[in-house]
Amino acid sequence: EPEVTQTPSHQVTQMGQEVILRCVPISNHLYFYWYRQILGQKVEFLVSFYNNEISEKSEIFDDQFSVERPDGSNFTLKIRSTKLEDSAMYFCASSGGGWNQPQHFGDGTRLSIL
Amino acid sequence: GQNIDQPTEMTATEGAIVQINCTYQTSGFNGLFWYQQHAGEAPTFLSYNVLDGLEEKGRFSSFLSRSKGYSYLLLKELQMKDSASYLCAPNQAGTALIFGKGTTLSVSS
Repeated sequence: EPEVTQTPSHQVTQMGQEVILRCVPISNHLYFYWYRQILGQKVEFLVSFYNNEISEKSEIFDDQFSVERPDGSNFTLKIRSTKLEDSAMYFCASSGGGWNQPQHFGDGTRLSIL
Repeated sequence: GQNIDQPTEMTATEGAIVQINCTYQTSGFNGLFWYQQHAGEAPTFLSYNVLDGLEEKGRFSSFLSRSKGYSYLLLKELQMKDSASYLCAPNQAGTALIFGKGTTLSVSS
């Protein structure tokens, strides 16, 4: 069964450094998302992406965050100057056929900011 | 805005049936998803309701009442592996899934 893949599985970064989280969505999907989950808390929406542009973003997705689809397969989340509170599990998801289709999640990248 | 309410925790025994309720208030509505999340893992899709009524899928069924802002997930013939968090997620006519805090289900033998 096709799946969303994310790399790395765990990223440790010094505060203030830039980090790029990578995702390969399911190949025939057109809608892409990033979510995050701080330990012990709920899954929170960050951003959705379609047709090479951001469709929707939450209040969490401020100027330190950016997303990109650099080629036909990858979808990346960049955090420019990381803060301690950015420590979380980051999930990439994709869906096909429309915004009301099930979103399929990758296994996540655990980001630890020191 | 949005408000999603689920019980925090539930317990049940193997072989039993459990119903996890969810009430929601959203500014728009385009269907409701249920996801399962095992500790330390990603959410996995269980079911989707956009019309009122019951959707059955093997041991899992989900019900929706749009007028009441209410849904439930019914799990039958519980197994130990069903111990997980169950997340109710309305799609409020946009692109995002808005997750509640989820219900942690513990299944014992």
